[in-house]
Amino acid sequence: GENVEQHPSTLSVQEGDSAVIKCTYSDSASNYFPWYKQELGKRPQLIIDIRSNVGEKKDQRIAVTLNKTAKHFSLHITETQPEDSAVYFCAASYPSGSARQLTFGSGTQLTVLP
Amino acid sequence: EPEVTQTPSHQVTQMGQEVILRCVPISNHLYFYWYRQILGQKVEFLVSFYNNEISEKSEIFDDQFSVERPDGSNFTLKIRSTKLEDSAMYFCASVEGETQYFGPGTRLLVL
Repeated sequence: GENVEQHPSTLSVQEGDSAVIKCTYSDSASNYFPWYKQELGKRPQLIIDIRSNVGEKKDQRIAVTLNKTAKHFSLHITETQPEDSAVYFCAASYPSGSARQLTFGSGTQLTVLP
Repeated sequence: EPEVTQTPSHQVTQMGQEVILRCVPISNHLYFYWYRQILGQKVEFLVSFYNNEISEKSEIFDDQFSVERPDGSNFTLKIRSTKLEDSAMYFCASVEGETQYFGPGTRLLVL
């Protein structure tokens, strides 16, 4: 089955700096890679996703890059703000029959210091 | 904007008791999932459900677990005889395209 590794487990940055979170996956059949943000005690919320036919995707201050050959993908947050503080999970998914289960990374606790 | 809802938000039970966790997916979604998250750990896939049957299940989803869609709206996860290690946050998700939308979760505590 798929295995997703995520680094770092914790990340502290100064407000305004950039943050980068990296993930690797094991199954070359995976073709969909979402990123979720989870605030304390809340549900995971999708912030950006990328499909394997695209190398990079950007949405305002958030971008994701994908290297299929190396089987890794990264989340980039620029101009960080205190409200970006949360746990971020990467995930990988491949189509399997009629369903598409997500395999999550272990999460990164991002703290943006004012 | 429609959201996935879950009840109860918190559930405390004694070991060996049965619990039923309820979810109302977004109305036009067809695929539903249960995930669990042990405190401080990653979100783990339990089971997917489509067309009134299980599509896939993980090794966590053993005979103590079952899912059903008893009517057109609710989607339930039953744990027959809870164990201490079942204590976790349980998330339901429903899918549009490839995007999975998570509910707010039920925090289950088994004593």
